[in-house]
Amino acid sequence: SQQGEEDPQALSIQEGENATMNCSYKTSINNLQWYRQNSGRGLVHLILIRSNEREKHSGRLRVTLDTSKKSSSLLITASRAADTASYFCATVAYGNNRLAFGKGNQVVVIP
Amino acid sequence: EAGVTQFPSHSVIEKGQTVTLRCDPISGHDNLYWYRRVMGKEIKFLLHFVKESKQDESGMPNNRFLAERTGGTYSTLKVQPAELEDSGVYFCASSQKMGGLRTEAFFGQGTRLTVV
Repeated sequence: SQQGEEDPQALSIQEGENATMNCSYKTSINNLQWYRQNSGRGLVHLILIRSNEREKHSGRLRVTLDTSKKSSSLLITASRAADTASYFCATVAYGNNRLAFGKGNQVVVIP
Repeated sequence: EAGVTQFPSHSVIEKGQTVTLRCDPISGHDNLYWYRRVMGKEIKFLLHFVKESKQDESGMPNNRFLAERTGGTYSTLKVQPAELEDSGVYFCASSQKMGGLRTEAFFGQGTRLTVV
């Protein structure tokens, strides 16, 4: 089964810097989604990109999708301390009604 | 509008005991999912309800786990008897439709289960 795999696993940056995370998957997908989890809280949906899209923006977030390489990246620009969290990518396959998650990236933004 | 709520937020039980987790999805969401994250590992799919029917339960680890969604509203996930390896965070999510236009899933805060 497909599974997102984020890279790198942990990232520590200064406030104001950009943070980039990558995700790879193994099979054909309908869409790919990024979620954030703050410590001790639930997963929050950030952005969804469909298989026929290559790039998408939402506020300070930029997601790219390369279906030929089966990979996606999440860029957070001008990071803030509040961006400190775990970030997960998850894929939805065609004909499938569930999210397949990767292991997650821990991002720490130092004020 | 209330989000997805889960109860309890934490549960500590002894090996061999029974625990029941509850999830209240967003009103009107037909799809309800259970996921689990064991410490240090990825979030794993357990099962998927469409209304009151089990659409996919391929992720359920064994027959000690029983999920129900009577009436197509809230869902319960019972673990009986609990084993040490069942410890982890259990997430519930709901969505209107997956794979179509509305594919965002809304997650609850999770239930942290610790089996000692």
